[in-house]
Amino acid sequence: DAGVIQSPRHEVTEMGQEVTLRCKPISGHNSLFWYRQTMMRGLELLIYFNNNVPIDDSGMPEDRFSAKMPNASFSTLKIQPSEPRDSAVYFCASSFIGAGVGEQYFGPGTRLTVT
Amino acid sequence: AQKITQTQPGMFVQEKEAVTLDCTYDTSDPSYGLFWYKQPSSGEMIFLIYQGSYDQQNATEGRYSLNFQKARKSANLVISASQLGDSAMYFCAMREGGAYKYIFGTGTRLKVLA
Repeated sequence: DAGVIQSPRHEVTEMGQEVTLRCKPISGHNSLFWYRQTMMRGLELLIYFNNNVPIDDSGMPEDRFSAKMPNASFSTLKIQPSEPRDSAVYFCASSFIGAGVGEQYFGPGTRLTVT
Repeated sequence: AQKITQTQPGMFVQEKEAVTLDCTYDTSDPSYGLFWYKQPSSGEMIFLIYQGSYDQQNATEGRYSLNFQKARKSANLVISASQLGDSAMYFCAMREGGAYKYIFGTGTRLKVLA
């Protein structure tokens, strides 16, 4: 299995631009999570889905952030408009929650820099 | 409320020695799982080991073992025979039985000295 795939790996954009981060979870997993990691705030859970349905988006910092999961193999996190304080590493993770351990597998992350 | 506490922001260990990374948790759910992840400087998060609340024995995975003390609500990670490649950030996490959400600690940065 290829693991969780994220694209792009690096994104540099100017303030005010729209940014779209993409994630392909591990096949067969039923839950998907978006995290943000910064030195100041550590690892923050932004939103998570189960069976493609958003369960909790209380971690999404502002209305500028939105996430979708149109099918079991694809999710996007969009920031519009982007701001310098959005600069961070964004991780997507997936897991199978049901019988079994339910460990999360993380993608390699997208390093976002907003200038 | 569910919570994970890692009180050691940073630790040093000599190569080939064992090291224990502390993790305490708080939950009122009798069913939960505890996880440890490693994040090397390259940035990826790597799943290391899992302990279920009903597991009778401490989990082990190669040089990693989990010292699970249920009454004390602690789930410390023990790394035996440390290697230079073990230098990384280590995160403890918990998921309650009926929940989807994982709660992560703030992490411990481990440096292995040659």
